[in-house]
Amino acid sequence: NAGVTQTPKFRVLKTGQSMTLLCAQDMNHEYMYWYRQDPGMGLRLIHYSVGEGTTAKGEVPDGYNVSRLKKQNFLLGLESAAPSQTSVYFCASSRPQSMTVSYEQYFGPGTRLTVT
Amino acid sequence: AQRVTQPEKLLSVFKGAPVELKCNYSYSGSPELFWYVQYSRQRLQLLLRHISRESIKGFTADLNKGETSFHLKKPFAQEEDSAMYYCALSYSGAGSYQLTFGKGTKLSVIP
Repeated sequence: NAGVTQTPKFRVLKTGQSMTLLCAQDMNHEYMYWYRQDPGMGLRLIHYSVGEGTTAKGEVPDGYNVSRLKKQNFLLGLESAAPSQTSVYFCASSRPQSMTVSYEQYFGPGTRLTVT
Repeated sequence: AQRVTQPEKLLSVFKGAPVELKCNYSYSGSPELFWYVQYSRQRLQLLLRHISRESIKGFTADLNKGETSFHLKKPFAQEEDSAMYYCALSYSGAGSYQLTFGKGTKLSVIP
C-alpha cells in the first residue's frame, strides 16, 4: 500500500496564479484533512472531510477551497495565490472516530509551495 | 477552546542524557493526547498516544490531568531521536474529530 500520497512535491507560483494539490489514500479511510506547516506555528488545519461529498472548514480556511468527489481523493485549491500561502502542505487521513477512541492520522509526504 | 502548548522550540541534549519534551494542554472535555514525530525529510508519524500507555522507541508519556500535561520522556537519548516532535490533542467537532497541534519542539541530540 502506498498510504497517503501527495502531488506535486514542489511548486512555485506567482501571486495571483491558481493551482490544485492532490491527496490520495488507499487505506479506505473516511476522514481526510489538509494542514499547513509553517515555522514556529506547528500544523494548522485548513479544511477537512468526513466522507465523500462533504467538506468543512478548519482553523485557517481563508484563501483555500477543497473537494472530495471520490473517497480516496481530497483536493486543495488555491484560486489566487498570495505570498502568505507559502508553506508546506500536508494531507492526512484516518478512520472515523469511535465512541471511545480517536484513531491515528496518517500523513502524506507534504507539498512545498512557494508563492512569489 | 482547546489549546496545546509546547514551551520549548528547541531542546539540545547530549547522547545518553535524559530527555523530557514538555506539553501542556487546555480542554474542557476528556482529552485524548498524542505525540507525533517528524524525522528529517520524512512525513509526520504517530509516536505514541496516551490511551495505549506503551513505550515506543524508549519514549513514554503520562497524562497528568491535574497538571494538564503530557510530557514525553526518554531516559537515554540517542542520535536517531533528533527530530521535530509535536504534541496533539484530539477533540470532537461537527461529527468529526480533529487534532490541535502544538507548535513543536525540535530535539537535537549531540553526539
